[in-house]
Amino acid sequence: KNEVEQSPQNLTAQEGEFITINCSYSVGISALHWLQQHPGGGIVSLFMLSSGKKKHGRLIATINIQEKHSSLHITASHPRDSAVYICAVTLDGSARQLTFGSGTQLTVLP
Amino acid sequence: DAGITQSPRHKVTETGTPVTLRCHQTENHRYMYWYRQDPGHGLRLIHYSYGVKDTDKGEVSDGYSVSRSKTEDFLLTLESATSSQTSVYFCAISSPSGSSGDTQYFGPGTRLTVL
Repeated sequence: KNEVEQSPQNLTAQEGEFITINCSYSVGISALHWLQQHPGGGIVSLFMLSSGKKKHGRLIATINIQEKHSSLHITASHPRDSAVYICAVTLDGSARQLTFGSGTQLTVLP
Repeated sequence: DAGITQSPRHKVTETGTPVTLRCHQTENHRYMYWYRQDPGHGLRLIHYSYGVKDTDKGEVSDGYSVSRSKTEDFLLTLESATSSQTSVYFCAISSPSGSSGDTQYFGPGTRLTVL
């Protein structure tokens, strides 16, 4: 059983739509991370959360520690948001390395 | 941008040859990591370092070794490359982000093909 599960695996949206990507985990964590990877590109950290909610531009990340669940929302989606979004966790007591979900491929159509 | 570079960026090699990948950081971070990314498996930890000469194994360490003789450099060595080690390799560092934990910053990646 994977420690970090993401859904959906693939998501296609029309420009302007509100998008939600979900992440659930089954272990104790000290932080949860949302990462973005464009095709052929590097990996960029979007958010690091240990509680509550964070917002950056059109991106919002929330975490519910009791339910072991996080969501990444994109408001007013745009074709440039097309990328793979990866949820990852830092396990409690670890050397801060990440354990990753399988990623969500998002395609936003104009 | 946390000042992380990887070299080489692309490499094609033959089965059985040794390969060394280099990760260099400019900001004196203590923790460094090597991950590999494969279709169907996502990103997985190979080895990590928590200081000079301090390293430990990750989830997929078989066939790999690492060394860290200076804070800024973390080397990943494939002693005898196999086709199963064809992958994209990412180096990362962990940077403190206040009281809530560390943010990880990734290097640009090295695409390795073992023929």
